[in-house]
Amino acid sequence: AQSVAQPEDQVNVAEGNPLTVKCTYSVSGNPYLFWYVQYPNRGLQFLLKYITGDNLVKGSYGFEAEFNKSQTSFHLKKPSALVSDSALYFCAVRDYGGATNKLIFGTGTLLAVQP
Amino acid sequence: DGGITQSPKYLFRKEGQNVTLSCEQNLNHDAMYWYRQDPGQGLRLIYYSQIVNDFQKGDIAEGYSVSREKKESFPLTVTSAQKNPTAFYLCASCRQGGYYGYTFGSGTRLTVV
Repeated sequence: AQSVAQPEDQVNVAEGNPLTVKCTYSVSGNPYLFWYVQYPNRGLQFLLKYITGDNLVKGSYGFEAEFNKSQTSFHLKKPSALVSDSALYFCAVRDYGGATNKLIFGTGTLLAVQP
Repeated sequence: DGGITQSPKYLFRKEGQNVTLSCEQNLNHDAMYWYRQDPGQGLRLIYYSQIVNDFQKGDIAEGYSVSREKKESFPLTVTSAQKNPTAFYLCASCRQGGYYGYTFGSGTRLTVV
C-alpha cells in the first residue's frame, strides 16, 4: 500500500538557522511527491513537487526539497528560516492504488521558528 | 484569476440539521476532492470525483453526501447522521494525470451549536 510518513509532529528552529522537515514514502511505482504549507485557518498552498529529473527541487518562498530514492525520502529544506515560515507542512505522494490523481497526505509537521 | 472558492468561510449547524458546503472552481479541473481536518490531525478524505456525474467514497464518507452535476461544482452535504461534524473542511481540485498536485480552497469551518 502507498503511504507517506512525517516522523516529526513539530520542528523548532531559530530564525536564520537552516531548517529540515522530514518525509519518507512508500509507493509501488515512480513516486510523484509534493510539499504543501498551511497557515492557520487557511487552505493548503503548493510549495514544490518532484516528478522526475534533478533530485534537488526548488520551490516557493526559498524552500527546496531533496529526493533520495535509496532512502525513499523527500525532505523539505530552507537555508535560513524566517519567523513567517512558521506553519503546518504536509508531504504528499501520488496514490497508485486506484484513481491516479489522488494524493496521500502525511500527518503534517508544525514548524515553529523562534525570533 | 482562476481558483477554487469555498463558501461560507464559517458555518454553524444545529443538532439534527443538514448543511451544505459549497465548492466551485474555474480552473477547468476534472477531479475534485473533499477533506476533513480536525485539530492536531492531518487530512482525511471524505469523497472525491474524477468526472461529472461520478464520485467515490473516501476514508470517512459516513454521514456525508456529495453531487457532481457540473464540472465546476462539488458541494458537500453534512447530514444529521454525522455525529461529530465540527471540523475544518477543505475542497481541492486537480487536472488529470497525477503530475500537477492539488489546488485547495480556503476552507469552511463548521461548528455545531
